[in-house]
Amino acid sequence: QKEVEQDPGPLSVPEGAIVSLNCTYSNSAFQYFMWYRQYSRKGPELLMYTYSSGNKEDGRFTAQVDKSSKYISLFIRDSQPSDSATYLCAMSAVGVGTYKYIFGTGTRLKVLA
Amino acid sequence: DARVTQTPRHKVTEMGQEVTMRCQPILGHNTVFWYRQTMMQGLELLAYFRNRAPLDDSGMPKDRFSAEMPDATLATLKIQPSEPRDSAVYFCASGSAGGPETQYFGPGTRLLVL
Repeated sequence: QKEVEQDPGPLSVPEGAIVSLNCTYSNSAFQYFMWYRQYSRKGPELLMYTYSSGNKEDGRFTAQVDKSSKYISLFIRDSQPSDSATYLCAMSAVGVGTYKYIFGTGTRLKVLA
Repeated sequence: DARVTQTPRHKVTEMGQEVTMRCQPILGHNTVFWYRQTMMQGLELLAYFRNRAPLDDSGMPKDRFSAEMPDATLATLKIQPSEPRDSAVYFCASGSAGGPETQYFGPGTRLLVL
């Protein structure tokens, strides 16, 4: 079993929909939680970053962390065709392993105009 | 607009050949990461450098992969000899030691070993 699990999709939604992307993990030492967006044939770019539990909001994006359930989510409100990409979650522990991000395999999202 | 650059962007080679991939980190960044991305495994960390010193290369097959930073503006990843299972996209990322919010990925080198 992988340390980080992510549904590969693809997920197709109409423009304007609320999108929910999720990851589960098994390592309780993870404290940093990241969401990356990757367009086709490009490198990943950091979207959201949270430390420990709680919510974080940035424009149309909200990241949630539930450490008790080992579950993280990314919500996209008022989704746009330009949001069509692969979304990767990543996590790391505090201390020596902080740099060692463990990535999910990514969820492919398509927002239909 | 500071960005990580990688060369070549695409490489097709035959099994057994040496492959060298290069990365120029963002000026002022002191951490460099090499990742490999495949459909099956996703993004995997191969090596991590801080201040040009290799701190972790546990993700690399030691017998055929090597990573170096000859200077602060250049990181290299070599595969010798290459095998078909090495076919993947190789990403370099650079950042400062502050945290994940400082990490920026390059565009990747798409490698196909025949």
